[in-house]
Amino acid sequence: RKEVEQDPGPFNVPEGATVAFNCTYSNSASQSFFWYRQDCRKEPKLLMSVYSSGNEDGRFTAQLNRASQYISLLIRDSKLSDSATYLCVVNTGFQKLVFGTGTRLLVSP
Amino acid sequence: DVKVTQSSRYLVKRTGEKVFLECVQDMDHENMFWYRQDPGLGLRLIYFSYDVKMKEKGDIPEGYSVSREKKERFSLILESASTNQTSMYLCASSLVRAETDTQYFGPGTRLTVL
Repeated sequence: RKEVEQDPGPFNVPEGATVAFNCTYSNSASQSFFWYRQDCRKEPKLLMSVYSSGNEDGRFTAQLNRASQYISLLIRDSKLSDSATYLCVVNTGFQKLVFGTGTRLLVSP
Repeated sequence: DVKVTQSSRYLVKRTGEKVFLECVQDMDHENMFWYRQDPGLGLRLIYFSYDVKMKEKGDIPEGYSVSREKKERFSLILESASTNQTSMYLCASSLVRAETDTQYFGPGTRLTVL
């Protein structure tokens, strides 16, 4: 079983749609959680950290459920520029990050 | 802005060659990391370093070594390149060892071993 599992997609959605990505992790001792965004042939960049209480940044909302070892990312009012691969990332301790293989999002006009 | 640079965007080498991948960060970060990214496998940690002259093995260190002689520079070395080391190599750095600290990535080096 992979340490961090994501649905690879692709998710094809029209502009303006709401889309949700899910991620599960296996290490219950994991300390912190992130969503990174990776554009085609580019490096990953931090989109947002994920806190237990849930957090929101504009059109993006991240949720963490420690009991179920489950992380989600919700994107509202999708834009063409949101097309990318979204990586679920878990910090298992001392800055050791474990990456999911990513969920690909395609937003169409 | 944090800047992490890598010496080459694309590199083609032959089997058995010694390969050096260089990474430099300009923000006085303590920690530096080397990952490789392969389709279907995601990013996997090869080696990391919390300080100058210090190194720790990641999840897939076999066939690789590293060097950190200066705080800003972290080199990945393939002693004898093999075709299964064809991959995208990404360097990252972060300021401290706090669990919430962000890792910043360089643009990557796409290495092909023939």
